Amino acid sequence: AQKITQTQPGMFVQEKEAVTLDCTYDTSDPSYGLFWYKQPSSGEMIFLIYQGSYDQQNATEGRYSLNFQKARKSANLVISASQLGDSAMYFCAMRDPRDGYFGNEKLTFGTGTRLTIIP
Amino acid sequence: DAGVTQSPTHLIKTRGQQVTLRCSPKSGHDTVSWYQQALGQGPQFIFQYYEEEERQRGNFPDRFSGHQFPNYSSELNVNALLLGDSALYLCASSLGAGNTDTQYFGPGTRLTVL
Repeated sequence: AQKITQTQPGMFVQEKEAVTLDCTYDTSDPSYGLFWYKQPSSGEMIFLIYQGSYDQQNATEGRYSLNFQKARKSANLVISASQLGDSAMYFCAMRDPRDGYFGNEKLTFGTGTRLTIIP
Repeated sequence: DAGVTQSPTHLIKTRGQQVTLRCSPKSGHDTVSWYQQALGQGPQFIFQYYEEEERQRGNFPDRFSGHQFPNYSSELNVNALLLGDSALYLCASSLGAGNTDTQYFGPGTRLTVL
């Protein structure tokens, strides 16, 4: 079974609108971490936001927020007031304690969503 | 504060050849992970190095090997290259001490095998 599922291969959004990128995950461990990365056409993976499974509040970083619904196993990324520079691939990733030891387990990525911001 | 750096940026090899990719971690980081990203897909974990030893390994053949040096920099070696090894190879660094640390990625090396 896929551990990270991103069901939106591509999205087109008008500039200045808010956008939600979907991510669902699968794990049976109570302790895990969820990440969102942005990958522009240059290729570099840029860290955006992190949510720990025990965090009480949804994570926020500037225009980025994570809508974490633990019971539904979803961790959607919300970008407020989108900008042209937000056009890129966006990847959801999970760190699962079953995938390693001593912490710093490997990341498992989804297939990504290509976001295009329209002027 | 220098981020993760990788070299070379691009590389073209032919089938059967060997290649070495290099990575320098972010200042203060001691753990290096390598990922392979084929076109149109998400990155796939290859292996992770900590204290100069391979700590975890993904589902990759023995043709993929690595090394970590005392200064925490790392190399990824691929022997007997196949056409399917064409991909973007990403290096990520982090702190090995805790399990909540973020992995920060470098710009990647784009390998083309002809």
